[in-house]
Amino acid sequence: SYELTQPPSVSVSPGQTARITCSGDALPKKYAYWYQQKSDQAPVLVMYEDSKRPSGIPERFSGSSSGTMATLTISGAQVEDEADYYCYSTDSSGNPPFGGGTKLTVL
Amino acid sequence: EVQLVESGGGLVQPGGSLKLSCAASGFTFSDSAIHWVRQASGKGLEWVGRIRSKPSGHATAYAASVKARFTISRDDSKNTAFLQMNGLKTEDTAVYYCTRHLLGDDRVFDYWGQGTLVTVSS
Repeated sequence: SYELTQPPSVSVSPGQTARITCSGDALPKKYAYWYQQKSDQAPVLVMYEDSKRPSGIPERFSGSSSGTMATLTISGAQVEDEADYYCYSTDSSGNPPFGGGTKLTVL
Repeated sequence: EVQLVESGGGLVQPGGSLKLSCAASGFTFSDSAIHWVRQASGKGLEWVGRIRSKPSGHATAYAASVKARFTISRDDSKNTAFLQMNGLKTEDTAVYYCTRHLLGDDRVFDYWGQGTLVTVSS
C-alpha cells in the first residue's frame, strides 16, 4: 500500500524556520496537501497543490515539492504554529493516504 | 458560511452498527465530494472513504481497513452524507470527521466538521 512518510517531530525556537518533510513515491506526479491540527481541534488546510496558500493562512507558511519529497516551510515560526501537521496525497491508483503526522514544537 | 456538522457517534459493542451523519450548509452540497476521516486517540489521521459529487456519479471508495463493513451514502435533497458502520471492531474507536472537496476546486479538504466520537467497547 502507498505510504507518505513524515518525521515524527520537529522543534524550533520562535522566529526560526521550521521545515516539515513528506516523502512518497507518487509525489513527482501527484500534488501534496498540508493540514494543521491543533490540540482537540479539527484539521485546517494550510497548503494545497504543493505550494498554494489558502486565504487566511499567514504568509510565513510556504510549500514546495521536488522529486519524491514535499516540504512545508514556516518562516519565522510563532508559538501559535505549534501543532501536528499532516501531508496528504494520492498514489497512481487514487488511494489517498495521510502521512503519519509531524508534531511541531515551537519553544 | 460553510459548515459541516457530524452526529450519530456513541458507544457501541463490538460487532454492532452505527450510522453517522454529516449535515452540510453554506455551499452547493451536490457539487461536493464528501470524505470521512478518522482519528484514534493520540494517533494520526486515517482516510476512511469518500462519495463523489452528483456530476461524478456518486462514486464511492473505501480504505482497505473498512471495506465491506462501512458504506457511505448521501441525500443531496437534505444536504447530508452518511457513514454506515457495520461489524464494528474495537480498532474502529476514533473521532470521525467529514470533510469536503468541491468539484473543480483545487483546495482539497478545505472545510471539516468538528468530529463525532465513536467508541467500540464491551
